[in-house]
Amino acid sequence: AQSVTQPDIHITVSEGASLELRCNYSYGATPYLFWYVQSPGQGLQLLLKYFSGDTLVQGIKGFEAEFKRSQSSFNLRKPSVHWSDAAEYFCAALIYNQGGKLIFGQGTELSVKP
Amino acid sequence: ETGVTQSPTHLIKTRGQQVTLRCSSQSGHNTVSWYQQALGQGPQFIFQYYREEENGRGNFPPRFSGLQFPNYSSELNVNALELDDSALYLCASSVKGLNTEAFFGQGTRLTVV
Repeated sequence: AQSVTQPDIHITVSEGASLELRCNYSYGATPYLFWYVQSPGQGLQLLLKYFSGDTLVQGIKGFEAEFKRSQSSFNLRKPSVHWSDAAEYFCAALIYNQGGKLIFGQGTELSVKP
Repeated sequence: ETGVTQSPTHLIKTRGQQVTLRCSSQSGHNTVSWYQQALGQGPQFIFQYYREEENGRGNFPPRFSGLQFPNYSSELNVNALELDDSALYLCASSVKGLNTEAFFGQGTRLTVV
């Protein structure tokens, strides 16, 4: 069955430190992959996406993600975290042969300490 | 801002009642998907509408139903509400086809008491 796994439920980093949020997917083919961010009580904002081509993709707010087929991973990174980055982050895979539904991971809550 | 708007933003209903949630898709988008996000969970796909027809459904019972209108806006209807239906309901609009991304609205927070 298709699935997306985010192993870390909660991560705390210091402001200015680097960040890596993990995401693994299980799918028969290479899916389209996304990272979304959600502030409390809000909808989802797209940070970046991977469809094909260059495996390192750049997104908004200084985020990037690297697709690694051999590891079935799509980890999100940021070199220097800002306090405003505190939020919930979701990795998602697009399953196109099922009406284009998105399968989401459980999310990783990011806290930023001063 | 994505251009996807949902109404209402918050709603409280009693168990057994029916509820209708509304979504206006982003201009130029012809596909609407609905997701349920329980507290502390990732969003779960309910169904998708394209050309006014259901085009894929997740593992939700028939009391969850929907509509899409000619202007591509959409409604999510839930009958016989249960306490477990309490969640944030998210609408996402997109353009049917490859290499497309979904844009989400702010959601409707439904509380069933």
